[in-house]
Amino acid sequence: DVKVTQSSRYLVKRTGEKVFLECVQDMDHENMFWYRQDPGLGLRLIYFSYDVKMKEKGDIPEGYSVSREKKERFSLILESASTNQTSMYLCASTRSGSSYEQYFGPGTRLTVT
Amino acid sequence: KQEVTQIPAALSVPEGENLVLNCSFTDSAIYNLQWFRQDPGKGLTSLLLIQSSQREQTSGRLNASLDKSSGRSTLYIAASQPGDSATYLCAVRRLTGGGNKLTFGTGTQLKVEL
Repeated sequence: DVKVTQSSRYLVKRTGEKVFLECVQDMDHENMFWYRQDPGLGLRLIYFSYDVKMKEKGDIPEGYSVSREKKERFSLILESASTNQTSMYLCASTRSGSSYEQYFGPGTRLTVT
Repeated sequence: KQEVTQIPAALSVPEGENLVLNCSFTDSAIYNLQWFRQDPGKGLTSLLLIQSSQREQTSGRLNASLDKSSGRSTLYIAASQPGDSATYLCAVRRLTGGGNKLTFGTGTQLKVEL
């Protein structure tokens, strides 16, 4: 069974803190993605990675960075958290060279105070 | 830039009714289209995926159609049940240099009442 897991369901951090969100998939997928979801704005792509150590900016990369040292793990980093980064963060993965059907993790609700 | 619109934004129906959710997109150069379901506070669950060369896909009580040339897709739910209550999202996929990217609509929030 396909599985994408995220390190935390809920997270509360203070302004200025460095925040790490972890995502792990067990399907040997090449592609991994980080989105944020906000009411009225839908899902927006922050970064994606199509291979180990490879990354590409999505639509809203400002204030974020990513790391992919191993195929199964994709980390999202908020270098200095701000209140406007309070959101639901969703990780997803797909296999290359196929239909690219995307599988999502359960999400991390991040609150920055 | 691809834009995806879903109408209506919210829908409330009595149990047992058949219903149609609509999705439209501005750029017809898509690789495929995927429909998702999202329960409150949860991640997305894939329902159906239609390749650009296909016209429709079916899974149980769900049927999704695609008219790429007109930039439209519909999700048909037969004999709706309270357990179908959720937000339904459509997303169109294009291929990029090394991978793929989805553009999402903002969803239709469905409530099926007893």
